[in-house]
Amino acid sequence: GAVVSQHPSRVICKSGTSVKIECRSLDFQATTMFWYRQFPKKSLMLMATSNEGSKATYEQGVEKDKFLINHASLTLSTLTVTSAHPEDSSFYICSASLQGNGYTFGSGTRLTVV
Amino acid sequence: AQSVTQLDSQVPVFEEAPVELRCNYSSSVSVYLFWYVQYPNQGLQLLLKYLSGSTLVESINGFEAEFNKSQTSFHLRKPSVHISDTAEYFCAVSEGGSEKLVFGKGTKLTVNP
Repeated sequence: GAVVSQHPSRVICKSGTSVKIECRSLDFQATTMFWYRQFPKKSLMLMATSNEGSKATYEQGVEKDKFLINHASLTLSTLTVTSAHPEDSSFYICSASLQGNGYTFGSGTRLTVV
Repeated sequence: AQSVTQLDSQVPVFEEAPVELRCNYSSSVSVYLFWYVQYPNQGLQLLLKYLSGSTLVESINGFEAEFNKSQTSFHLRKPSVHISDTAEYFCAVSEGGSEKLVFGKGTKLTVNP
């Protein structure tokens, strides 16, 4: 089946630094990918929709200059948290559209900013 | 705008008991419906989905859900749960023609021995 690989699974970074999270589709081409943020004991919040070769579409309230999304190829989308602060600590999950047949999710990245 | 309501944030049950996790949605157009399961510190795994056809859908591990259009519901059921079913369960909806998924707040199922 369609598999999305997300790395790293865990990352700890210092406040003020940037962190890149990668999401790769392993056996299919992902035209559209999504980035979610999950707060403790809360649901997944869609941050942005990433389309290959074009700019990402951000949801209301998400800072596009802080959460940089790049989808340069059909198998790779990246999320870079720039100038990270402790309040950016969260669980980030990517998913890929299966073109009308649902979605497949990455295993998530636990970001801790100290 | 579409929304998803999972009324129960936590559902504790005993092993081998039946369980129902409720999900209601609001949408004015046709929808696709999903249930995902999440184990601690992991991503989401698709449990089952309704895209079209039969309103009763089943998963390989004994879960089933029924799409009820008149009640705008997609409740998840299992006749006999196992300890290993302990996890967080999310109901999600996408409107026909849209690729955006809207999630409910999740229901934490805890199966006790």
